[in-house]
Amino acid sequence: EAGVTQSPTHLIKTRGQQATLRCSPISGHTSVYWYQQALGLGLQFLLWYDEGEERNRGNFPPRFSGRQFPNYSSELNVNALELEDSALYLCASSWLRTDWITDTQYFGPGTRLTVL
Amino acid sequence: RKEVEQDPGPFNVPEGATVAFNCTYSNSASQSFFWYRQDCRKEPKLLMSVYSSGNEDGRFTAQLNRASQYISLLIRDSKLSDSATYLCVVHPGQAGTALIFGKGTTLSVSS
Repeated sequence: EAGVTQSPTHLIKTRGQQATLRCSPISGHTSVYWYQQALGLGLQFLLWYDEGEERNRGNFPPRFSGRQFPNYSSELNVNALELEDSALYLCASSWLRTDWITDTQYFGPGTRLTVL
Repeated sequence: RKEVEQDPGPFNVPEGATVAFNCTYSNSASQSFFWYRQDCRKEPKLLMSVYSSGNEDGRFTAQLNRASQYISLLIRDSKLSDSATYLCVVHPGQAGTALIFGKGTTLSVSS
């Protein structure tokens, strides 16, 4: 069974540009999560989508946005890029239990975004 | 108090050693607990879930102490390949909330 996939692997942008990152979840998973991991720091939760809806959002500015498509794949968009947006962006997917408690998350290999 | 706290280490141990990591969490309503492993510049991978009764998977043993709100991971007979960062992960218990990741504990096993 295929795992979580992300594209592109690497992305280089300049300040002020927009970046679009993509994620395909494990087949059957309806929830997709996005995290930012800056060098030497822990995972910071960005966004959570389930069944096409944004379910929760971390403490990030509105220029970080995304969406989930009917096939459960997801996009993360980062507008007006800043130097400090340089990081590894990880996508994870999971089942969502009927009690709305997140099940185990499985991660993709990440997209390394560099902002120059 | 941070939601999930871990000793960042690094823990430097020789092959064959036994090493233990602790993690504390602040929300007493937390329901699900996990240990993930992250190799340098790679994605986190699930190592094991942590159950109330404690669980073991080969050389790895996880324990949960709800009264003291801490989780532990014990690694016996350390291998060079165990060198990685170990992330403590907690679900805060409220429906619709995301998992909370600790910053990780770094383990370096040397020959």
